[in-house]
Amino acid sequence: SYVLTQPPSVSVAPGQTARITCGGNNIGSKSVHWYQQKPGQAPVLVVYDDSDRPSGIPERFSGSNSGNTATLTISRVEAGDEADYYCQVWDSSSDHYVFGTGTKVTVL
Amino acid sequence: EVQLVESGGGLVKPGGSLRLSCAASGFTFSSYSMNWVRQAPGKGLEWVSSISSSSSYIYYADSVKGRFTISRDNAKNSLYLQMNSLRAEDTAVYYCAAGVAFDYWGQGTLVTVSS
Repeated sequence: SYVLTQPPSVSVAPGQTARITCGGNNIGSKSVHWYQQKPGQAPVLVVYDDSDRPSGIPERFSGSNSGNTATLTISRVEAGDEADYYCQVWDSSSDHYVFGTGTKVTVL
Repeated sequence: EVQLVESGGGLVKPGGSLRLSCAASGFTFSSYSMNWVRQAPGKGLEWVSSISSSSSYIYYADSVKGRFTISRDNAKNSLYLQMNSLRAEDTAVYYCAAGVAFDYWGQGTLVTVSS
C-alpha cells in the first residue's frame, strides 16, 4: 500500500518560515492536499492540488510537489499556525485515499 | 454557510453495530463526492470510505471493508455509514468530509467500542 511519510514535528520562530515535507514514491505524479488540524477541532483544507489555496486561506500557505517529496510552506509563521498538518493523496493503484503520518508544528 | 453535522455515535459493545449520519447544508450536496475519515484518540487521520456524487463509485479502507457500508440520499442531503462487527480498534472520532479534496468537514462524532 502507498505510504506518506512526514516528520513528526517542526519547530519555528514567529515570523520565520516552516517547511513540512511529505514523502512518497513518485508523489510528484499525484495531486497532494494539505490539512491543518488544531486541538479539539476538525481538519481544515489549506492547500489542494499541490499548490492551490481554498478561499479564506492566507497566501502565507503554499505548496509544491516534485519527485518523491511534496512540501507545505508556511511563511511569516504566526502563533495561530500552531497545529498538526497532514498531507493526503488519492492512490489510484489501490483506489484508496492515503493520509500522511502528520506533523506537529510548534511556534517557539 | 456550509454545514456538515454528524450524529449517531456512542458507546457500543464489540461485535455490535452503529449507523452514523451526516446532514449537509449550504452547498450542492448532490454534486459532491463524500467521505468518512476517522481519528483514534491521540492518533492521526485515517480515511475510511468514499462515495461518488451519484453513488456509482464506492471505496473502502482495507480495515473496514466487509464490515462498514457507506451510502447517501441526495434527496435528503445526507450521508450514512453503517458499521457492523465493531471492534475496539474502531474507537475514534468519525468525520464526514465533502469533496475530492476534502473541502468541508463536520465536527465529528465519537464512537467508542468497549465492553
